[in-house]
Amino acid sequence: AQKITQTQPGMFVQEKEAVTLDCTYDTSDPSYGLFWYKQPSSGEMIFLIYQGSYDQQNATEGRYSLNFQKARKSANLVISASQLGDSAMYFCAMRERGQNDYKLSFGAGTTVTVRA
Amino acid sequence: NAGVMQNPRHLVRRRGQEARLRCSPMKGHSHVYWYRQLPEEGLKFMVYLQKENIIDESGMPKERFSAEFPKEGPSILRIQQVVRGDSAAYFCASSPNQGVPGQPQHFGDGTRLSIL
Repeated sequence: AQKITQTQPGMFVQEKEAVTLDCTYDTSDPSYGLFWYKQPSSGEMIFLIYQGSYDQQNATEGRYSLNFQKARKSANLVISASQLGDSAMYFCAMRERGQNDYKLSFGAGTTVTVRA
Repeated sequence: NAGVMQNPRHLVRRRGQEARLRCSPMKGHSHVYWYRQLPEEGLKFMVYLQKENIIDESGMPKERFSAEFPKEGPSILRIQQVVRGDSAAYFCASSPNQGVPGQPQHFGDGTRLSIL
């Protein structure tokens, strides 16, 4: 079964607008962490933001914020005030506490293109 | 403070040859993870190593693939007798320890392996 689902293969957003990237996950482990990574066209993987399953508040990191809805098992990434440099592939990933709490499971990614 | 260093950045091999991918973790990091990214897909876990120990190689094909992280020197992912299906981007990540909530794995820029 797919642990991480990202249903939007590609999105366009106008510069300075906000964009929301969807991520749903599947786990029976009560303790887990959710991560978002950015992969620009140059190929490197850049860590953006983290949300823990027991965190009471939604994570924020600069222009990035997480809309964490635990009951719905979703952890959507919101990028505010989009910039041209935000054009990239974005991956949602999960790490479950269980026995393999080092193993990241990734979604298929969402490509974001920011238009001037 | 250098990040995770992977080399080479690009590697071309003919079918049947051997491929060696190197990864030097961030300074102070003793945990190394290898992931593989096929075109248009997310990253898939391959193997987790600590110094001189393979902790989990459940994501690595049983044949032709091996990994090591010696006491001195970089971690090596070795693919023997490469086939076309091995063409992918191989990412190495590192962390200072394991099991700490919220601690991200820091990724290198990846090695793009192309098999002719």
